Amino acid sequence: DTGVSQDPRHKITKRGQNVTFRCDPISEHNRLYWYRQTLGQGPEFLTYFQNEAQLEKSRLLSDRFSAERPKGSFSTLEIQRTEQGDSAMYLCASSSGRTGSTDTQYFGPGTRLTVL
Amino acid sequence: KNQVEQSPQSLIILEGKNCTLQCNYTVSPFSNLRWYKQDTGRGPVSLTIMTFSENTKSNGRYTATLDADTKQSSLHITASQLSDSASYICVVAFRGATNKLIFGTGTLLAVQP
Repeated sequence: DTGVSQDPRHKITKRGQNVTFRCDPISEHNRLYWYRQTLGQGPEFLTYFQNEAQLEKSRLLSDRFSAERPKGSFSTLEIQRTEQGDSAMYLCASSSGRTGSTDTQYFGPGTRLTVL
Repeated sequence: KNQVEQSPQSLIILEGKNCTLQCNYTVSPFSNLRWYKQDTGRGPVSLTIMTFSENTKSNGRYTATLDADTKQSSLHITASQLSDSASYICVVAFRGATNKLIFGTGTLLAVQP
């Protein structure tokens, strides 16, 4: 499968624990995005990488959230001291960057986080 | 405030029937408008992308329209199939380097036999 993959697909954790999610974009896609989606809502932008550089972060990304893309390929999203409000689907998307503003973002299946 | 609003919130139709979903947006500066299909528990899949100058775009049984003056878009589904049951999300991209997307809350479509 050459699409965007995310791991794990599901994560259940206790409040206060740290969690880390991984995203593997489509090979050679230099743009990578993280979104958060809560039940009944559309995805909300969290952060954006161009290669290994994190170029934009949403105000939704509090100090407890950190994202990295160390080699410009896979990315990780870490949430420290999880809270029940962090429960959501975390979606990763990648795009080639070749078509500029009409770049299609290809989404992964998401990681569903449940904080107890 | 940059927003994307969709109607109806949910829709039930019989297999084989047509339907039209609506989208209004206030995103500025506008770059393009996209429609995505999202199956339950899956990531969204792109159906169409339209820039400011495009009025209509088709993808199989899906036809999207865009009126950039009134900031409205619609997605028409022809001859619906059971597999069309999903959430359809209208998405507007900001003009700028990051192509940041603003998502609507979606229209949940159920196609019944």
